Amino acid sequence: GAVVSQHPSRVICKSGTSVKIECRSLDFQATTMFWYRQFPKKSLMLMATSNEGSKATYEQGVEKDKFLINHASLTLSTLTVTSAHPEDSSFYICSARRTGGTYEQYFGPGTRLTVT
Amino acid sequence: GEDVEQSLFLSVREGDSSVINCTYTDSSSTYLYWYKQEPGAGLQLLTYIFSNMDMKQDQRLTVLLNKKDKHLSLRIADTQTGDSAIYFCAEFGGFQKLVFGTGTRLLVSP
Repeated sequence: GAVVSQHPSRVICKSGTSVKIECRSLDFQATTMFWYRQFPKKSLMLMATSNEGSKATYEQGVEKDKFLINHASLTLSTLTVTSAHPEDSSFYICSARRTGGTYEQYFGPGTRLTVT
Repeated sequence: GEDVEQSLFLSVREGDSSVINCTYTDSSSTYLYWYKQEPGAGLQLLTYIFSNMDMKQDQRLTVLLNKKDKHLSLRIADTQTGDSAIYFCAEFGGFQKLVFGTGTRLLVSP
């Protein structure tokens, strides 16, 4: 149990285009989902926290108009990188916290975004 | 803000025990976690410990918590080559979000 999936696993896009990444909790409901960014050989940087049915809370320094987050259901959150630039190239990882459970947080396999 | 520190690198031989250390600063931490990340993959939750516990054992994994010193460790018994990965400690405390350490790269040689 407690499986989180992400799609796509890898994506290459051209500068100026937008890319959507999906995060799903497959076998549990997640009121809260998180989006992280990880630079090579670095730790995870929390970008935003999303709660189902409400607006995401963004961390300081993260542009909310650039990284659009939607948490439409208890099992799905999406991150859209708008007008992508090469500096947005990174490994994006989502995470979900089980509704009503302890503070266990489960992570997706990550999405490697490359902007050319 | 919170700060979580780990040593960057650990190298052991197969069959030995590995001990990965972590220190944190948030005195209101309620849960502390250990995650494993293999190359190109997400994070796998290995184990976690409540802040009112001193020790937790789960098969080959032993977590020790010294709350007074804000020190957390993960011991892996009989380390195998498949244990080679990056290990992150994380704490959940006053800011209601996970704060990750810098990660420790464990290399297990045959």
